[in-house]
Amino acid sequence: GAVVSQHPSRVICKSGTSVKIECRSLDFQATTMFWYRQFPKQSLMLMATSNEGSKATYEQGVEKDKFLINHASLTLSTLTVTSAHPEDSSFYICSLQGEGGELFFGEGSRLTVL
Amino acid sequence: AQSVTQLGSHVSVSEGALVLLRCNYSSSVPPYLFWYVQYPNQGLQLLLKYTSAATLVKGINGFEAEFKKSETSFHLTKPSAHMSDAAEYFCAVSGGGSNYKLTFGKGTLLTVNP
Repeated sequence: GAVVSQHPSRVICKSGTSVKIECRSLDFQATTMFWYRQFPKQSLMLMATSNEGSKATYEQGVEKDKFLINHASLTLSTLTVTSAHPEDSSFYICSLQGEGGELFFGEGSRLTVL
Repeated sequence: AQSVTQLGSHVSVSEGALVLLRCNYSSSVPPYLFWYVQYPNQGLQLLLKYTSAATLVKGINGFEAEFKKSETSFHLTKPSAHMSDAAEYFCAVSGGGSNYKLTFGKGTLLTVNP
């Protein structure tokens, strides 16, 4: 399967600052990548679909201006949480779709906003 | 539309005992079905997938699942639990093919007692 790498794995920031999370596809050219959010002891919620060279597609209820997604190349998508607040603290996971329809996930990034 | 119901948010078994994690799905089209495992503070790892081929699917780490259309089920089993199997397990469904959107169940936490 595809290998997906996320960085950083953990980040702590002050309220009001912005944080960027990188998602890299190490062995697969991904025109589409996905960003999920996971609250403690809960399932994954799809936030947005990241499309290489075009605008991301956001799920209903996800603030586009707060969660900026950029997919500048076939191997890199970034999620920037702007003006972060404590309620943005969560586990963010990126993924890409394999040829068989399955998703391959990164290791996840735990964001804590103080 | 599609949905997944995982029966039992927490399953506890003894080491060496049978593991059975239940998943029922709803889908308006022939589904693709997946089981993922998540260890603490990590991303999701694909255990196995059903994509309309054999109804009994074998995955990694000795897990297998059987697709039963009449019961709309895709339960995950393993004959003998190991301590290393303790993790969160997610069942997911998609519409298949290019329909990339996976809908996840709420997850089942498996604990293995010595």
